[in-house]
Amino acid sequence: QKEVEQNSGPLSVPEGAIASLNCTYSDRVSQSFFWYRQYSGKSPELIMSIYSNGDKEDGRFTAQLNKASQYVSLLIRDSQPSDSATYLCAGNNFNKFYFGSGTKLNVKP
Amino acid sequence: DGGITQSPKYLFRKEGQNVTLSCEQNLNHDAMYWYRQDPGQGLRLIYYSQIVNDFQKGDIAEGYSVSREKKESFPLTVTSAQKNPTAFYLCASSNPAGAVFNEQFFGPGTRLTVL
Repeated sequence: QKEVEQNSGPLSVPEGAIASLNCTYSDRVSQSFFWYRQYSGKSPELIMSIYSNGDKEDGRFTAQLNKASQYVSLLIRDSQPSDSATYLCAGNNFNKFYFGSGTKLNVKP
Repeated sequence: DGGITQSPKYLFRKEGQNVTLSCEQNLNHDAMYWYRQDPGQGLRLIYYSQIVNDFQKGDIAEGYSVSREKKESFPLTVTSAQKNPTAFYLCASSNPAGAVFNEQFFGPGTRLTVL
């Protein structure tokens, strides 16, 4: 089992809808969790960090962490075409970071 | 303006040639990392360093070498032993594990192509 797993997608949503991205992780990943956005040909950009169970909101983004189920999600409200990108889920254990292979999101105008 | 810089942006390597990718950060981070990303794939860890003069192999270290002589710098050499080096190389840095927020940030990347 990979340490962090994501559905590769693509996930297609209409403009203005809520996009829901999901990620599961193994016991090797225990500390903190992160969501990165990566546009084609560019490097990953950190958009959300979450360290404890529950929800964390930042603008149109909400990260959710459930440590009992080993599950992390990212909700993007009012999706815009500019949100179209690959979203990478990551977790860490001390100084080692583990990345999922990414979910491609397409937001259709 | 704090951040991570990588150079060059594009690099072309001939067969049998060693090339070095530069990575510099002014975020005062202790830990630095090198990842490789192939088209449509996730990130694979090559090497990482938690402190100056110390580094550890990642999942795909064969054919690569690194040094960490300064806190700010973590250059990666792609040697001729790496048979399929064409990829997007990403350098990253983070605070040490004991920090309250140990987020990892990425540089803009170097795209390496073998001619």
